[in-house]
Formats: sequence, C-alpha cells, structure tokens
Amino acid sequence: DIVMTQTPLSSPVALGQPASISCRSSHSLLHSDGNTYLSWLQQRPGQPPRLLIYKISNRFSGVPDRFSGSGAGTEFTLEISRVEAEDVGFYYCVQAKQFPITFGGGTKVEIK
Amino acid sequence: QVQVVESGGGLVEPGGSLRLSCAASGITFSDYSLNWIRQIPGKGLEWVSHISSRSDYTNYADSVKGRFTISRDNAKNSLYLQMNSLRAEDTAVYYCARDYSRGVDTWGQGTLVTVSS
Repeated sequence: DIVMTQTPLSSPVALGQPASISCRSSHSLLHSDGNTYLSWLQQRPGQPPRLLIYKISNRFSGVPDRFSGSGAGTEFTLEISRVEAEDVGFYYCVQAKQFPITFGGGTKVEIK
Repeated sequence: QVQVVESGGGLVEPGGSLRLSCAASGITFSDYSLNWIRQIPGKGLEWVSHISSRSDYTNYADSVKGRFTISRDNAKNSLYLQMNSLRAEDTAVYYCARDYSRGVDTWGQGTLVTVSS
C-alpha cells in the first residue's frame, strides 16, 4: 500500500497570511497513463470532506484561487495564499494511483 | 446541482448487517466510478470500496474484504454498500464519493453506522 504522510499536524496561521501543507507518498504517484493522481480534500468543522484539488494542481469547481497545489513524484504541497476564517478545518491529501486509495493523516489549519 | 440522499445507517449489534444507499440526482450518474469512504468520528478518512461506472470491477479495503459488497443501479442513480458481519471497528460515518479524475469528490452528509451491543 502507498503510505501518505502529511506535515505539519497542525498549522496555526494569522488571517491573511499564507499557509502551506506538505504531503509525501511512499511511492511515486505518477501513473503509467502520464497523470499523477494526488488530490487534496478540505473538511470544515462538522462538514463532510470536500474536493479542493485533483491531479496535483487542478482546482475543483468553485474552489477559490487562493488554493493551489504543486509537486511531483512523491512530494506535494497545498498552499493557501491568504488564509480566511472559512479555511479553518482539516486538510487531507489522497492518492488514487492504485488501490487501496489512501489518505494522509490530515493537517489542522487554525487561526492564530 | 448534485443532490444526494444517503441512508441505511444506524445502530447494529456486532455480527449484524446493514445496507447503505446513496441516491443522486442532478448528475449523469453512470458517467462516474464511485467509492465509499468512512470516517471514525474525530479521526481521519479511510477508503472502503470502489466500483467502476458499469460495475465491471470492484475493489475493497482489506479491512472489509469478504464482508462488504458494493453495487450500483445506474437506472436508479443509486450506489449501495451491503455490510455483513459488522464489527465495532466498522463504526464510522460513511460517505459516498464520486471519482472525479481520480479525485475523491464526496457527496452528501454521510450516514452514521454504529456497531455496538
């Protein structure tokens, strides 16, 4: 199985400041079809998870452009350019290159 | 806009069975592969099962293999999860999710399954 490791566990950020979350996979997520199947989910308090980013850097419908994803191979990053109050919650990276689909342990973004 | 109704959760004794359903509207259901994922309250996310758009193939987490069965009815825009031989560790909120370019697009608010005597 591909193990997904996120850092940090918690990220206190002042409003309007940037935040960055790292995700490392135990194996390359580059698929033989040329795509890299790494996505990011956001889970606000009391809400179901929501797809933010797919295939490393593609924002899902309705996702603000302050969210961006980058990376390749085994190292990936989610960045929030200017944190807003509604961004509080947990963020998960997830790989779907192969089964079983696996998630990172989550990073809590909170306001400092 | 996609509307989803998840149902079938509840309290069940260890060894019991439940069938979860996820009914969607406002989307071409048959275009997508689908997943069930789950979340123990207060914990992280775990993938449970996957089914292709035409039910050609299915996949299961090792933790549920042989006990859970995923299925779908595209004519009814519905996804199902038959859960047998339930264990305490299956207690979680279960979400149905669309495979969107292999991104996990979770639908609905989830349904809580509690396995306890």
